[in-house]
Amino acid sequence: DTAVSQTPKYLVTQMGNDKSIKCEQNLGHDTMYWYKQDSKKFLKIMFSYNNKELIINETVPNRFSPKSPDKAHLNLHINSLELGDSAVYFCASSPKGDYGYTFGSGTRLTVV
Amino acid sequence: GENVEQHPSTLSVQEGDSAVIKCTYSDSASNYFPWYKQELGKRPQLIIDIRSNVGEKKDQRIAVTLNKTAKHFSLHITETQPEDSAVYFCAASLNTDKLIFGTGTRLQVFP
Repeated sequence: DTAVSQTPKYLVTQMGNDKSIKCEQNLGHDTMYWYKQDSKKFLKIMFSYNNKELIINETVPNRFSPKSPDKAHLNLHINSLELGDSAVYFCASSPKGDYGYTFGSGTRLTVV
Repeated sequence: GENVEQHPSTLSVQEGDSAVIKCTYSDSASNYFPWYKQELGKRPQLIIDIRSNVGEKKDQRIAVTLNKTAKHFSLHITETQPEDSAVYFCAASLNTDKLIFGTGTRLQVFP
């Protein structure tokens, strides 16, 4: 059983398109995150949701819109994709009162 | 906000030698310091963590030390093996509000 699953694993799309990435966790965790890992492997937080409520938005362009329909799901929609959006996007989750993050397997987004 | 610096960016060691990766953080209020290992094309995975009320923690061949006064923490890997080759990330946070990651260290262990 995959604890944190993301779909799709790979996404190749043209500039200007709109795309979504989905994330689901079956760990019962309260908090979910989106991180972006660029070509230099730098991991940077984008958003954090706690029980469906947005708690962190790290100066991400408003072309990026997260949505959490319930505490087990956190999706990321990206409008008007740009070349600089190319990266690996990782979803993660953590339980309340504990500290360990569990990461999903990542979505490699390539904008051409 | 928190800023985490990590050194070195690359580290090559012979199998059986020790490897040390060092991080410094800026926010003295940070109280949680995990280390993640990311193999090529894989997700980051938690390998060890330490909280601010502890100075050292060990798990088999890996250990982490924390110096709160100097705002330094380090990862020590002893008796390195080729399967230890990966990118290692340190991170810091306050009550897991959000993890701020270091820039990563690419460790290569040569047989």
